[in-house]
Amino acid sequence: DSGVTQTPKHLITATGQRVTLRCSPRSGDLSVYWYQQSLDQGLQFLIQYYNGEERAKGNILERFSAQQFPDLHSELNLSSLELGDSALYFCASSGPGYGYTFGSGTRLTVV
Amino acid sequence: GNSVTQMEGPVTLSEEAFLTINCTYTATGYPSLFWYVQYPGEGLQLLLKATKADDKGSNKGFEATYRKETTSFHLEKGSVQVSDSAVYFCALSDLHTGANSKLTFGKGITLSVRP
Repeated sequence: DSGVTQTPKHLITATGQRVTLRCSPRSGDLSVYWYQQSLDQGLQFLIQYYNGEERAKGNILERFSAQQFPDLHSELNLSSLELGDSALYFCASSGPGYGYTFGSGTRLTVV
Repeated sequence: GNSVTQMEGPVTLSEEAFLTINCTYTATGYPSLFWYVQYPGEGLQLLLKATKADDKGSNKGFEATYRKETTSFHLEKGSVQVSDSAVYFCALSDLHTGANSKLTFGKGITLSVRP
């Protein structure tokens, strides 16, 4: 158990739908990061939250949004899904002196 | 902006062969450098890291030295095993921009080790 929990592990949905991916960071970590891993793009940084506030934004589409709640868990919302959104979505958390810990990912398949 | 460049893959080696995976970076400030490993069907695990120039990170027989003059962080292992078959990612974190900054990854390279 890495300490970062992602749910669900697998998700299959149709084009045009909306899904929510959930991430619980390691206890005590204030930062949460979302990454997308696809075969052609590698690991792309999407967005970072720190203690509830957006800290940095990467290559995140307008159809995607995220938030971090007061209990520090985070959700990544993906809407109007397209076939090309099929990927592995990772969450990571970090804290002072601890470094980064990754969850095991959510595999999204859009059909 | 920051970037990480890894050598093209995949790489296939015989067991007990010597491994080198090249990684170079571009960054402002003084980044920390990392190697992550992803085994089939799993998430990313930290393999080793180095936080300043000339530091050597090591773990499980793997080593990498932070070379500021050549902006490199090449991964080496003297004798690979079948169990080392995985995808390897080089990454950097620009702590100069503050604590808890994001990681920038290279494209990753797949290593396959034959018995």
